Amino acid sequence: SQTIHQWPATLVQPVGSPLSLECTVEGTSNPNLYWYRQAAGRGLQLLFYSVGIGQISSEVPQNLSASRPQDRQFILSSKKLLLSDSGFYLCAWDYGSGNTIYFGEGSWLTVV
Amino acid sequence: DAKTTQPTSMDCAEGRAANLPCNHSTISGNEYVYWYRQIHSQGPQYIIHGLKNNETNEMASLIITEDRKSSTLILPHATLRDTAVYYCILLSAGTASKLTFGTGTRLQVTL
Repeated sequence: SQTIHQWPATLVQPVGSPLSLECTVEGTSNPNLYWYRQAAGRGLQLLFYSVGIGQISSEVPQNLSASRPQDRQFILSSKKLLLSDSGFYLCAWDYGSGNTIYFGEGSWLTVV
Repeated sequence: DAKTTQPTSMDCAEGRAANLPCNHSTISGNEYVYWYRQIHSQGPQYIIHGLKNNETNEMASLIITEDRKSSTLILPHATLRDTAVYYCILLSAGTASKLTFGTGTRLQVTL
């Protein structure tokens, strides 16, 4: 069966520090991969998605970037964190619309 | 912007059916209706989805009106564990599933 792993689960980072969140999917190949963010008290917002290795689409302008170095690995990064980057970050995967989308358990980021 | 409208909150007694409505009057022909729920501090959980026909699985039933402008998610026997925020989302067929989450309905199941 397919599983999705996301880490770290929680982290506290100072303003201006770098960020790296990792997501891997097991038990599948060539999935679509997604990064979502949920700010406190708000709905989920799609940040990036990828339909293949090295293919990244950005949905909103921001201080973050994403990379897909391997088929089942998706990384969310920042060179310098802002206070506004705080939130709950979720990785997800699927095979394309019309199919079920599966979410990881999320990573809580607090920028201080 | 989300293209669906849901009530902000609903209450349901444990053991009773929870009926969560969703309006999507501008839905297009190739858009699916998806339902997810999010329990506090967890990732969203897939519940069910459909295009035209009513659907049922082990978790819930999805009733889509004939004109597809609205739908209802039915949890047949709500339990306390069903307390969550429920999201109704439209998704076009394509190569990537770009979900647009609205504010959802906060369902509170009570004893």
